[in-house]
Amino acid sequence: DGGITQSPKYLFRKEGQNVTLSCEQNLNHDAMYWYRQDPGQGLRLIYYSQIVNDFQKGDIAEGYSVSREKKESFPLTVTSAQKNPTAFYLCASSIIRRGRGGELFFGEGSRLTVL
Amino acid sequence: KNQVEQSPQSLIILEGKNCTLQCNYTVSPFSNLRWYKQDTGRGPVSLTIMTFSENTKSNGRYTATLDADTKQSSLHITASQLSDSASYICVVTHQGGKLIFGQGTELSVKP
Repeated sequence: DGGITQSPKYLFRKEGQNVTLSCEQNLNHDAMYWYRQDPGQGLRLIYYSQIVNDFQKGDIAEGYSVSREKKESFPLTVTSAQKNPTAFYLCASSIIRRGRGGELFFGEGSRLTVL
Repeated sequence: KNQVEQSPQSLIILEGKNCTLQCNYTVSPFSNLRWYKQDTGRGPVSLTIMTFSENTKSNGRYTATLDADTKQSSLHITASQLSDSASYICVVTHQGGKLIFGQGTELSVKP
């Protein structure tokens, strides 16, 4: 079945470590996104990509990095520069480019906890 | 400032009862509005999309309404089931393409 796969589901990190969250989609979607979800807050955009080898910062990109080497893959690295990384991270994709309000298809999320 | 406010923050109802969730927005110019359902620990899933010209749209026991003049939307759930327990998120798209998320309403359906 087509969909978005995020891994790992749960991840623990020590302070000072970088971690990478995986996101793979087989929906043939052009656009992919990373959101952060904190309790009581709306989803906040970290990074998005409309095409391979190109990506744009969202509202809260500081302390994060991404790559888009393949259409299917959009990994997110949470660096040690991110001061409060404990959160639920959601990857999404859409069939049309950002800017047209297309339906977002989300992965199951990755919960990162800093010890 | 483009904002989306949802109410109530949380809601507890008995199985079989109806409920209505509210979404007020200040996004302008408006493109569309979507309601998503997010089960605990899972990713959100789209329930409905409303464009400027649509007033009502149904998806099974879910009915969304939109009043573009007052910038209000509601999601009505009929004959609630235990599986309706989830967070419901209102997302408004600005015509420039930006998505603005509400903070969600946490619904708990009790037997």
